[in-house]
Amino acid sequence: SQQGEEDPQALSIQEGENATMNCSYKTSINNLQWYRQNSGRGLVHLILIRSNEREKHSGRLRVTLDTSKKSSSLLITASRAADTASYFCATIKAAGNKLTFGGGTRVLVKP
Amino acid sequence: SQTIHQWPATLVQPVGSPLSLECTVEGTSNPNLYWYRQAAGRGLQLLFYSVGIGQISSEVPQNLSASRPQDRQFILSSKKLLLSDSGFYLCAWSFRDRGTEQYFGPGTRLTVT
Repeated sequence: SQQGEEDPQALSIQEGENATMNCSYKTSINNLQWYRQNSGRGLVHLILIRSNEREKHSGRLRVTLDTSKKSSSLLITASRAADTASYFCATIKAAGNKLTFGGGTRVLVKP
Repeated sequence: SQTIHQWPATLVQPVGSPLSLECTVEGTSNPNLYWYRQAAGRGLQLLFYSVGIGQISSEVPQNLSASRPQDRQFILSSKKLLLSDSGFYLCAWSFRDRGTEQYFGPGTRLTVT
């Protein structure tokens, strides 16, 4: 089964609204990362949050991590049409260097 | 700065034909290298990773193999393609330190007919 599972699988919002997506995982992790993928392209790293961090910001992105619940959330504030993409969470286990990806959340931002 | 290249961008191959996808990284030394496959609308499945020349770890049993003949070159191969090998193949690299982010190539869209 997937180490990371995103929720929801798909999200449709209007430009200017906030988009929130969640990720759950099963085992202890070293860090959790979020990536974006535009249709038919490679993935782009967005943000990394370590297991001893609870919240991290990068521009319009806010990531939280709750290790007691084994979950993370990604918030995109004031969304733009260019934010339309699939978003994936990925985890690295405590003693590893391999990323395990979830199934992704497809976000559509309507202008 | 570092860049990663993959080719070809798209490929249509008949069942039973061989496969060779190439990935090269520029601007860094001793990277960790990764091959992933992504089915349509799904997440990424790690196929192989390498921490050095000739060092390949396979994550799932399959019809594919990987090789790393040079420090910054990673090749994905198959002797005989199956229909189920169709998908989007992504190469990625990371710094040798553990737990860092990965940088992805543009991908190869493989269709086996």
